[in-house]
Amino acid sequence: EAQVTQNPRYLITVTGKKLTVTCSQNMNHEYMSWYRQDPGLGLRQIYYSMNVEVTDKGDVPEGYKVSRKEKRNFPLILESPSPNQTSLYFCASSSDPRLAGVSDTQYFGPGTRLTVL
Amino acid sequence: DQQVKQNSPSLSVQEGRISILNCDYTNSMFDYFLWYKKYPAEGPTFLISISSIKDKNEDGRFTVFLNKSAKHLSLHIVPSQPGDSAVYFCAASARNYGGSQGNLIFGKGTKLSVKP
Repeated sequence: EAQVTQNPRYLITVTGKKLTVTCSQNMNHEYMSWYRQDPGLGLRQIYYSMNVEVTDKGDVPEGYKVSRKEKRNFPLILESPSPNQTSLYFCASSSDPRLAGVSDTQYFGPGTRLTVL
Repeated sequence: DQQVKQNSPSLSVQEGRISILNCDYTNSMFDYFLWYKKYPAEGPTFLISISSIKDKNEDGRFTVFLNKSAKHLSLHIVPSQPGDSAVYFCAASARNYGGSQGNLIFGKGTKLSVKP
């Protein structure tokens, strides 16, 4: 089954304790992306990756790091989490970053709810 | 400044009637628009899209209309069903221009409630 998986689904942590949220896709997609969803703000892109070893900042990259060492995985790293990073995080992937066709639409993972105390 | 706006946070419709969800955008470089549906505790799922070279795209009960001169698009659901109750996000992309290709700009979402 084609899917994007994220782990963990729920995480409560404390300020300053480094954490990693993993994302994996089994569709051989080149493009992967991280979003955060906050009440009243919709979905905002954090980082994206056009291919292995290629990453770029999205709209709200501050306080986050990513890596893309292999095609299927795109972990999101919070080196020193702060309470303003409490949010719902979504990973997404697509075969064509230009979204050239319906089949290239972004597929989203189930989300990771992060709480930073 | 918000580039994609969904000005109605919520919409309530009777089953069988038409649901119309609206979306406005400000960036004239956007050339591809998508609607996503999101249920609680799940990721957004793609619903329907439209390219800027079209003014209408239809898929079953779902139709998206694009008015480029007004920078406005709408999603029509006919007939509405209780299972359509979800949050609907409008998103836009500038596919053919430089910068962060594939960067989807989302609206804040509209929560649709379809009552039996």
